[in-house]
Amino acid sequence: GAGVSQSPSNKVTEKGKDVELRCDPISGHTALYWYRQSLGQGLEFLIYFQGNSAPDKSGLPSDRFSAERTGGSVSTLTIQRTQQEDSAVYLCATQGQASNYGYTFGSGTRLTVV
Amino acid sequence: ELKVEQNPLFLSMQEGKNYTIYCNYSTTSDRLYWYRQDPGKSLESLFVLLSNGAVKQEGRLMASLDTKARLSTLHITAAVHDLSATYFCAVLPNDYKLSFGAGTTVTVRA
Repeated sequence: GAGVSQSPSNKVTEKGKDVELRCDPISGHTALYWYRQSLGQGLEFLIYFQGNSAPDKSGLPSDRFSAERTGGSVSTLTIQRTQQEDSAVYLCATQGQASNYGYTFGSGTRLTVV
Repeated sequence: ELKVEQNPLFLSMQEGKNYTIYCNYSTTSDRLYWYRQDPGKSLESLFVLLSNGAVKQEGRLMASLDTKARLSTLHITAAVHDLSATYFCAVLPNDYKLSFGAGTTVTVRA
């Protein structure tokens, strides 16, 4: 597609439930990042995928968080047993092989845990 | 661990005047990005700076990079209301963990 697509755009879930957030990157983009942005805060790195290499998971805040990227394209971020502190906007960003272009961000998924 | 510091964090600008936002970072990198975020929106790419001494300009915004000082600046000329937003710098180190500053929230007043 023309841009980075994230779904759902909004998700309200009950504490303790699992959620899946999806990111469809720009076709051909090999690098994919997930970030978390809490209200009024900056961007917290979660995970980075690059092609077929092992992902850098060093930013995942707990073992309740996991992510995968199938076929080097679509990525899914899964949060198990959600907690209220997981409430945030989750942003996906991708980039092609040439680093002289900026990273393109999706519009994000606003997650609210009640 | 890479630290990216922006200042100021909040900037109240008067229309027509000039201002500068600073972005310092703690490790070697020659790739730095500036983004704009409007309230409730995602991030929009403004500038990509890829070498020491790089300077990019778009309208009233100009960004520069000094890799030796590990410093980038975003200069705003003759501020106008539609520049009100939050501006982020981001640094790409060798491990490719793109790291963001805390953001500078800009408000332009008449």
